[in-house]
Amino acid sequence: GIQVEQSPPDLILQEGANSTLRCNFSDSVNNLQWFHQNPWGQLINLFYIPSGTKQNGRLSATTVATERYSLLYISSSQTTDSGVYFCAVGGGGGATNKLIFGTGTLLAVQP
Amino acid sequence: DGGITQSPKYLFRKEGQNVTLSCEQNLNHDAMYWYRQDPGQGLRLIYYSQIVNDFQKGDIAEGYSVSREKKESFPLTVTSAQKNPTAFYLCASSIGAGARDNQPQHFGDGTRLSIL
Repeated sequence: GIQVEQSPPDLILQEGANSTLRCNFSDSVNNLQWFHQNPWGQLINLFYIPSGTKQNGRLSATTVATERYSLLYISSSQTTDSGVYFCAVGGGGGATNKLIFGTGTLLAVQP
Repeated sequence: DGGITQSPKYLFRKEGQNVTLSCEQNLNHDAMYWYRQDPGQGLRLIYYSQIVNDFQKGDIAEGYSVSREKKESFPLTVTSAQKNPTAFYLCASSIGAGARDNQPQHFGDGTRLSIL
């Protein structure tokens, strides 16, 4: 099945710093989503981005489907950005849009 | 407001008991999904349903069962056959589940299940 790898596995930032999170996947996909899981476990949709570039405030994401990777950019980080960031892909040539999750990037933003 | 409601937030089970986790959505989505998350891990798919009265096994279906009698409801039963049920369970839905539907999944807030 399709493999999803995220890097780095963990990251510590000072408030105000910028960061880039990466997601590599092993097959073509019809769905790619970025999520933020907060300390209470809630999984928050950040981007639905199977291809192209999107921006939402301090966050932006780019997926280069032909090269099988996606990047999540966080600018001017805040302590509330802390948590785990997951990339999940779906499609992968299969018949259904099941999501395959990476193992996440644990982000800690220090004041 | 439209969304996905999971209940209860916390659930404790004695060994040998079956328990049922509730998932309800009012988004009018056809597809619904159950995922399991273990500490420090990503989510893994247990079961999914593309339409009422139909469901399919995911990657880790053993020890679980589901039903889809109504469009808005997709309960998950953790049976006594599931040897390691302690985990965080998340329910999701999407407009459709076909690969060509190309629609995002939306998640509930999850249920934490623990064994006493």
